[in-house]
Amino acid sequence: EVQLLESGGGLVQPGGSLRLSCAASGFTLSDHYMDWVRQAPGKGLEWVGRTRDKANGYTTEFAASVKGRFTISRDDSNNSLYLQMNSLKIEDTAVYYCTRTPHLSGSYFPDYWGQGTLVTVSS
Amino acid sequence: AIQMTQSPSSLSASVGDRVTITCRASRAIRDDLAWYQQKPGKAPRLLIYVASTLQSGVPSRFSGSGSGTNFTLTINSLHPEDFATYHCLQDFDYPLTFGGGTKVEIK
Repeated sequence: EVQLLESGGGLVQPGGSLRLSCAASGFTLSDHYMDWVRQAPGKGLEWVGRTRDKANGYTTEFAASVKGRFTISRDDSNNSLYLQMNSLKIEDTAVYYCTRTPHLSGSYFPDYWGQGTLVTVSS
Repeated sequence: AIQMTQSPSSLSASVGDRVTITCRASRAIRDDLAWYQQKPGKAPRLLIYVASTLQSGVPSRFSGSGSGTNFTLTINSLHPEDFATYHCLQDFDYPLTFGGGTKVEIK
């Protein structure tokens, strides 16, 4: 059974840093693209970033709103995905989801999602 | 960035109704579109990908259509468990972008 479990959320001051973790099980992490998606309180979904699979060199893509501040890494041996968030802003406050993003009929769409972890940026 | 305009933003419907939600892309995205269902406090659930392919385990009353810039999610005969918020997502180009969401409420 595929499972994703995020952790590491919490309260952080503007300008601070936080690292989110996502523990994956039930599938081979290195074979999959993985995304981070966030949802501000009462708002819609916002794609944050993506790491490609091992075959594609684990390269990454990011939304303009986080580019240069957020990085994605993974430890396939521990089946873990990470989102390092630096220079946090109040507008980064959201529930952050990690997703498995398989190759589906020529495209890549998140199919499994974690339960989310809340990040609150406030002074 | 490709903008995804979803409409309506909310609608009221009754059990048994047929519901249609649309998503319009600011430029052509082939069929690189997915639909998700989200209930309060829960993670989204993939319903449909590449515009019209039903994800495994999703009831057949859900269907998707469209290509290019105009896409539709249809729910035939609403069930009580279908009251939720629906989101579209394009994967044609980076950054990936979601529609604003459609909340389906009980009339």
